[in-house]
Parts: sequence; C-alpha cells; structure tokens
Amino acid sequence: SYVLTQPSSVSVAPGQTARITCGGNNIGSKSVNWYQQKPGQAPVLVVYADTDRPSGIPERFSGSNSGDTATLTISRVEAGDEADYYCQVWDNGRDLVLFGGGTKLTVL
Amino acid sequence: EVHLVESGGGLVQPGRSLRLSCAASGFTFDDYAMHWVRQTPGKGLEWVSGISWNSDRIYYADSVKGRFTISRDNAKNSLYLQMNSLRAEDTALYYCAKDGSRVIGRWFDPWGQGTLVTVSS
Repeated sequence: SYVLTQPSSVSVAPGQTARITCGGNNIGSKSVNWYQQKPGQAPVLVVYADTDRPSGIPERFSGSNSGDTATLTISRVEAGDEADYYCQVWDNGRDLVLFGGGTKLTVL
Repeated sequence: EVHLVESGGGLVQPGRSLRLSCAASGFTFDDYAMHWVRQTPGKGLEWVSGISWNSDRIYYADSVKGRFTISRDNAKNSLYLQMNSLRAEDTALYYCAKDGSRVIGRWFDPWGQGTLVTVSS
C-alpha cells in the first residue's frame, strides 16, 4: 500500500527557512496538499495542488513536488509557525485519502 | 464565511452505535464533496470517509468499511456519519471537512472544530 513518510520533527531558528518533506513512491505524479495544525485547533490548509496557496496564507509558505519527494518550505520562519504539519494525497488506485504521519515544527 | 459545525459525539460502549452530524453554512453545500477525518488525541490525522456532491461516489478507509456509513442531506446542508459496532480504537476527535471540488480527491478546506467520540465500557 502507498505510504507517505514525514520526519517526526524539524527545528529552525526564527528568520531561517524550514523545509518539511513528504516522501512517497513517485509522489511527483500525485497532487499534494499540506495542512498546519496548532495545538487545540483544527487543521488549516496552507498549500494545495503541490504549489498553490489559499487566500490568507502568507507567501512565506510554498510547496514543490518532484520524483519521490514533496516539500513544504516556510521562509522567514516566525514563532507563530510552530505547529504540526501534515501532507496529504488522494490515492487514485485505491480510492482513498492518505495523510503523512505529521511533522512537528519547532521554532528555536 | 464557510462554517462547519460537528455534533453527536460522546461516550459510548464498545459494540454500540453513534451518529455524527455536520452542519454546513456559508457556501453552496451541494457544490462540494465532503469528508470525515479523525484524530486520536496526540496522534496524526486519519481519513475516515468521503462523499461526492450528489452521493454517487462514496469511499471509506479500510478501518471503518462495513461499520460506518456516510451520508448527506443537501436540502438540510448537512453531512452525517453513522458509526456502528464501535471499538475502542475508534476513539478520536472527528472532523468534518469540505473538499475542494464536487467529486472526491482534492483538498480539505475548511475543517470544523471536531466532535469527540470516546468508546469505552
């Protein structure tokens, strides 16, 4: 079965760039979405269809997807970006939705 | 503003049933597919089920197939999840989420705040 693999944690200093990866076999052929979840809150869509940003999401959030890795990049990281981040795809072959295990972003 | 409000959660004994509801507002409900996603406290997200705009496409996670039934009432702008034969491992916060399209397979935006289901004797 198809699996999405994320690092359990990523740490970055304020003002630096955070990169959160989502690995999957030929994930570049799929459309990847990213969600941010802060403690006690529902997830929020931050990137959809690999690279697009919903209205209201800062330009500091961007996505890319190629080969076996999709990446969420957060530029000029702020303390308020500290959260769990999840990647998600639609598995066409099995008609189901898959989430990665999530990555906890810590702002040092 | 799009608003999704879940209800119906609670404490239920193993083997019993529960029906969750999601009231939608702020958008044309029958223009979008809808989903249920759950999250065990302190753990990750698990997709449960999705339903297309007109209910002709319905999909389930293997973990709930045969026990849970998703449905919608477009006249009432409401989404439902009938959960039967509940198990301890079904204990989770259940979110309702709007798909990015009529058919299933886009993104989830937005999400409700969730309703907590606890399965315990």
